[in-house]
Amino acid sequence: GAGVSQSPRYKVAKRGQDVALRCDPISGHVSLFWYQQALGQGPEFLTYFQNEAQLDKSGLPSDRFFAERPEGSVSTLKIQRTQQEDSAVYLCASSPRGGRGYEQYFGPGTRLTVT
Amino acid sequence: AQKVTQAQTEISVVEKEDVTLDCVYETRDTTYYLFWYKQPPSGELVFLIRRNSFDEQNEISGRYSWNFQKSTSSFNFTITASQVVDSAVYFCALMAGKLIFGQGTELSVKP
Repeated sequence: GAGVSQSPRYKVAKRGQDVALRCDPISGHVSLFWYQQALGQGPEFLTYFQNEAQLDKSGLPSDRFFAERPEGSVSTLKIQRTQQEDSAVYLCASSPRGGRGYEQYFGPGTRLTVT
Repeated sequence: AQKVTQAQTEISVVEKEDVTLDCVYETRDTTYYLFWYKQPPSGELVFLIRRNSFDEQNEISGRYSWNFQKSTSSFNFTITASQVVDSAVYFCALMAGKLIFGQGTELSVKP
């Protein structure tokens, strides 16, 4: 079946612009996660949804970052007033069950470059 | 502190060699999960294995094997008879509240 998809795959934004990154999880997956991966580093947790409920947003680096999953499927990560330090690959992952102890299936990521 | 350490930043081997990727973790939790993921040059993280803290049995899947030792807080990954297609960055991760990744080990398998 189809895996996790993300769009766009690449995004270039001028400093100060707002961006929206989309994630389509595997159909029926309950849990959805966002991660930020800087070059040469492991992914870092941003936020976690179980269905439409955002249960953990402790990893969001500032109030410029906002995520939603209004109908419990597609999710959008929005970054307002982008800064150069926001340049990274943003990964989305989904998991078939609620809770965080299960394997996560990752999308290809969106590479964001802020100029 | 919850932490994952992959001390080997880069490893280079010749095809058919065996290679072990080390992973050491720290957690105060008594229940936790450990994972290995592969990130090939295409960038998409591929799930390899999940292990819970109560299951210390080693696991073998084809050329891949994992050795989990709670006494040393280690969860090492061995590839037997490596192949060029194994070239990738490999991440060990700890789930204790949230998924915490190590820095990754870049494995290069040369023909």
